[in-house]
Amino acid sequence: KAGVTQTPRYLIKTRGQQVTLSCSPISGHRSVSWYQQTPGQGLQFLFEYFSETQRNKGNFPGRFSGRQFSNSRSEMNVSTLELGDSALYLCASSQDGSSYNEQFFGPGTRLTVL
Amino acid sequence: DAKTTQPNSMESNEEEPVHLPCNHSTISGTDYIHWYRQLPSQGPEYVIHGLTSNVNNRMASLAIAEDRKSSTLILHRATLRDAAVYYCIRGDTGKLIFGQGTTLQVKP
Repeated sequence: KAGVTQTPRYLIKTRGQQVTLSCSPISGHRSVSWYQQTPGQGLQFLFEYFSETQRNKGNFPGRFSGRQFSNSRSEMNVSTLELGDSALYLCASSQDGSSYNEQFFGPGTRLTVL
Repeated sequence: DAKTTQPNSMESNEEEPVHLPCNHSTISGTDYIHWYRQLPSQGPEYVIHGLTSNVNNRMASLAIAEDRKSSTLILHRATLRDAAVYYCIRGDTGKLIFGQGTTLQVKP
């Protein structure tokens, strides 16, 4: 079974631009969660989508948004990029997001904002 | 969201057992305890999880205190490939709340 894939793997943007990251979950998984990892803040939860609906949201500004498609693939968008948005963005999928199910992480997208 | 507490770093010798502790004193009765690890330049990887009783799998064992306020991840024979950051996490629907984790060094 193929793992979680994320595209692109690396991205360089400038301040003020917007960016869209993509995540393809493991086949059959319906929950997709997004995380931001920075050296200063560690791994932080952004949001989770289940059956095309945002079910959970972390403490991030509205510039961070996402969506999920009917095939469970998910995208996250960051508008009006700031230098502090430079980070590794990870997505994870699980069967249904239940607290007892493990999450499978992708390799991440490394975003650099100049 | 209540986070867990772990030591910042630990060291182990190769082929010796490693016990990684975690405090989660505010955990509720229905929260699962999850352990993930992150190797350099990779996304986090699931290790093990449990609710009340001790759990074993091919990677590790998880010992959960009777009062559920703490747990210990046990790597029975550490290898150099086990050098990673280990996260003890309170499981919640659709999200994992990561703390700072424990950086495990394994010496040959």
